[in-house]
Amino acid sequence: LAKTTQPISMDSYEGQEVNITCSHNNIATNDYITWYQQFPSQGPRFIIQGYKTKVTNEVASLFIPADRKSSTLSLPRVSLSDTAVYYCLVDYNFNKFYFGSGTKLNVKP
Amino acid sequence: DGGITQSPKYLFRKEGQNVTLSCEQNLNHDAMYWYRQDPGQGLRLIYYSQIVNDFQKGDIAEGYSVSREKKESFPLTVTSAQKNPTAFYLCASSTGNLAKNIQYFGAGTRLSVL
Repeated sequence: LAKTTQPISMDSYEGQEVNITCSHNNIATNDYITWYQQFPSQGPRFIIQGYKTKVTNEVASLFIPADRKSSTLSLPRVSLSDTAVYYCLVDYNFNKFYFGSGTKLNVKP
Repeated sequence: DGGITQSPKYLFRKEGQNVTLSCEQNLNHDAMYWYRQDPGQGLRLIYYSQIVNDFQKGDIAEGYSVSREKKESFPLTVTSAQKNPTAFYLCASSTGNLAKNIQYFGAGTRLSVL
């Protein structure tokens, strides 16, 4: 199973850039890497998805090295409203999706 | 409005009672999923369905049952065999595209035991 490993928690201050790294050593050739954000008592929300190199959208960037065994979610200039849990998923064989415990990001004023 | 609707938002179960959580989507997605989330924990997969009339057990299916008679509906029954049902339940759907399987989630149902 291509399970993922992320830091349990991170602290940041408003206006800083935050980088959250995820390890997925057993990623398969066809797997994409997807990141979700979850606020308390809400369902996770899709942030960004990528296969290799760099992907950028209006809220985040995703950096994936050539070996694809890790990925880094970059949140530019975070605000208090970015305080949430961030999950890294690897989609393997359209089977079981492992969310893990995610990374709890705490943004301080 | 397109999306996934879960109901009810809060549900209480008595000892020995079966309860059913509703999940409806109008995104025309083929795949649907049920997850359980305990406080401070990540999501654990209960059941998933790739197409109508077909579903597969996830990691924690014991004490739960599902049906997929219609594309847009994937109800979850928490049976009396589930001895610790108190949790936050999340339903999701996706296109089922093998390469880029993005899941869209409902707002969740919080189940408590009386």
